[in-house]
Amino acid sequence: DGGITQSPKYLFRKEGQNVTLSCEQNLNHDAMYWYRQDPGQGLRLIYYSQIVNDFQKGDIAEGYSVSREKKESFPLTVTSAQKNPTAFYLCASSIEQGYTEAFFGQGTRLTVV
Amino acid sequence: GQQVMQIPQYQHVQEGEDFTTYCNSSTTLSNIQWYKQRPGGHPVFLIQLVKSGEVKKQKRLTFQFGEAKKNSSLHITATQTTDVGTYFCAGAEGKLIFGQGTELSVKP
Repeated sequence: DGGITQSPKYLFRKEGQNVTLSCEQNLNHDAMYWYRQDPGQGLRLIYYSQIVNDFQKGDIAEGYSVSREKKESFPLTVTSAQKNPTAFYLCASSIEQGYTEAFFGQGTRLTVV
Repeated sequence: GQQVMQIPQYQHVQEGEDFTTYCNSSTTLSNIQWYKQRPGGHPVFLIQLVKSGEVKKQKRLTFQFGEAKKNSSLHITATQTTDVGTYFCAGAEGKLIFGQGTELSVKP
């Protein structure tokens, strides 16, 4: 059963701690994306990757880091430098960056207390 | 950088009324995509428009791409309660940039 999986669905962390959100896809897609969703602000692009071992900053990359060591995996680390980390994080993948439909995971709701 | 603006932010309609959301880009787009996100869910792809002036229909939904490939619209005829959700446009110029979305509520 092909798809894109994010885990966990809910995550709680204390302020000052780094946290890594998982994103795995078995669709054989080259492109992967991380978006942040806040109420009333739509989806804002954090990082995106077109191929393995390559990724680019999106519009709000400060305080985040990613890696793309395998085609199927694109984990996102929310660092303590991110001032307002509480949000809904969505991972997506597509066959080709920006030119084909994107498939989204179920999302991870991160709450930092 | 590339920006995609979407209006209105919210739309409340009576069931059976029509609904339209508009999307404008600061740059010419190679294509525009539309997604729907149900409450508590994740965005799901609806359609992609590629050609200048393109119009596509999906049952009660009509999608248009402007002649200059910088704007687009989604029109729903005779809304139903199942149409509830947030509709996003996403402009593609390399990376995929989403608009703020229009949240549609439908009163039975």
